[in-house]
Amino acid sequence: QKEVEQDPGPLSVPEGAIVSLNCTYSNSAFQYFMWYRQYSRKGPELLMYTYSSGNKEDGRFTAQVDKSSKYISLFIRDSQPSDSATYLCAMSTASGGSYIPTFGRGTSLIVHP
Amino acid sequence: NAGVTQTPKFRILKIGQSMTLQCAQDMNHNYMYWYRQDPGMGLKLIYYSVGAGITDKGEVPNGYNVSRSTTEDFPLRLELAAPSQTSVYFCASSLGGLTDTQYFGPGTRLTVL
Repeated sequence: QKEVEQDPGPLSVPEGAIVSLNCTYSNSAFQYFMWYRQYSRKGPELLMYTYSSGNKEDGRFTAQVDKSSKYISLFIRDSQPSDSATYLCAMSTASGGSYIPTFGRGTSLIVHP
Repeated sequence: NAGVTQTPKFRILKIGQSMTLQCAQDMNHNYMYWYRQDPGMGLKLIYYSVGAGITDKGEVPNGYNVSRSTTEDFPLRLELAAPSQTSVYFCASSLGGLTDTQYFGPGTRLTVL
């Protein structure tokens, strides 16, 4: 079993839909949870992060962490064609003094007009 | 700031050839990383460095070498290229620490024929 599981999709939704992207993980030591967005032929860029459990909102985006279920989610409200990208979850914990994140495979999202 | 820069953007190699992928950052970050990304497979860590003169293996180091003689530069060396090394290579940097953000370069697309 991989440490971080993420459905690669693609997930295709109409413009304006609410999108839910999810990751599960097996390492209960993970403390810091991130979502990166990667446009086609570009490098990933950090979209949101949360520390430990709870919700965090930033505009149309909400990141949610449920440590008891080892499950994290990213919600996108009023999705736009410009949100079409691959979304990678990442999570990290201390390991030998370093904090090297573990990435999911990424979910490809397509928002069609 | 230019951020993280990578050269070349594209390269085609023949089996058995060698090459160096260049990576530089101007953010005075301690940590630097090399990832490869195969279609639908997410990011796999090849090597990372926590500071000049210090490097360590990631998940898939075989067939690659790195060095870190300065804070700014982190070249990745491919010896005896094989078709299995066809991939997109991303360099990233970060300050380090648990609540860390990685900044990615634009990537190098490598094809080995």
